[in-house]
Amino acid sequence: EIVLTQSPATLSLSPGERATLSCRASQSVNNYLAWYQHKPGQAPRLLIYDASNRATGIPARFSGSGSGTDFTLTISSLEPEDFAVYYCQQRSNWPPLTFGGGTKVEIK
Amino acid sequence: EVQLVESGGGLVQPGGSLRLSCAASRFTFSSYAMSWVRQAPGKGLEWVSAISGSGATTHYADPVKGRFTVSRDNTKNTLYLQMNSLRAEDTALYYCVKNSDIFENWGQGTLVTVSS
Repeated sequence: EIVLTQSPATLSLSPGERATLSCRASQSVNNYLAWYQHKPGQAPRLLIYDASNRATGIPARFSGSGSGTDFTLTISSLEPEDFAVYYCQQRSNWPPLTFGGGTKVEIK
Repeated sequence: EVQLVESGGGLVQPGGSLRLSCAASRFTFSSYAMSWVRQAPGKGLEWVSAISGSGATTHYADPVKGRFTVSRDNTKNTLYLQMNSLRAEDTALYYCVKNSDIFENWGQGTLVTVSS
């Protein structure tokens, strides 16, 4: 099973700041990594798939990078609606599909 | 826009059973694999199961293997999750998701609580 480790667990930032979230895989997932945003009471929302491709309707301030075992989700300038929990997920070697433990982006 | 509506959640005693349903609409249901993903209270997302478009192939996470069964009725555009021998650790919000690997469309979830 591929284990995904996200860091930091919590990121405290102000609107307008840049957010950098990390996801590290226990073995290579090639570029088969996705990022999701999850807000309380809502369904998760796909942001990025295959490491760097924005999903339909996702603003350009969200970008993904990386390959192999190290990946980054960057939010270039935080909007009020961006404060949420973010998960990475791999589809390289499954079952099982696995998610990271999440990074909470909170208002400082 | 894709619509996925889960139902069937509720309170069940340990050892009991429950069947979740997911009504799908606004896409060609039989052409897509489907998945179940859950979130326990205060925890992260956990993949549970996936099924191919035809229903011929199924996959399960180890914690539910042998207890849960995923199925689908393509004539009714409905996905199911039969959950038997339920445990307290199965308590979670269960999401129905379109596709088996890139999860672009999610339902709102149905809550399963396993408690005596």
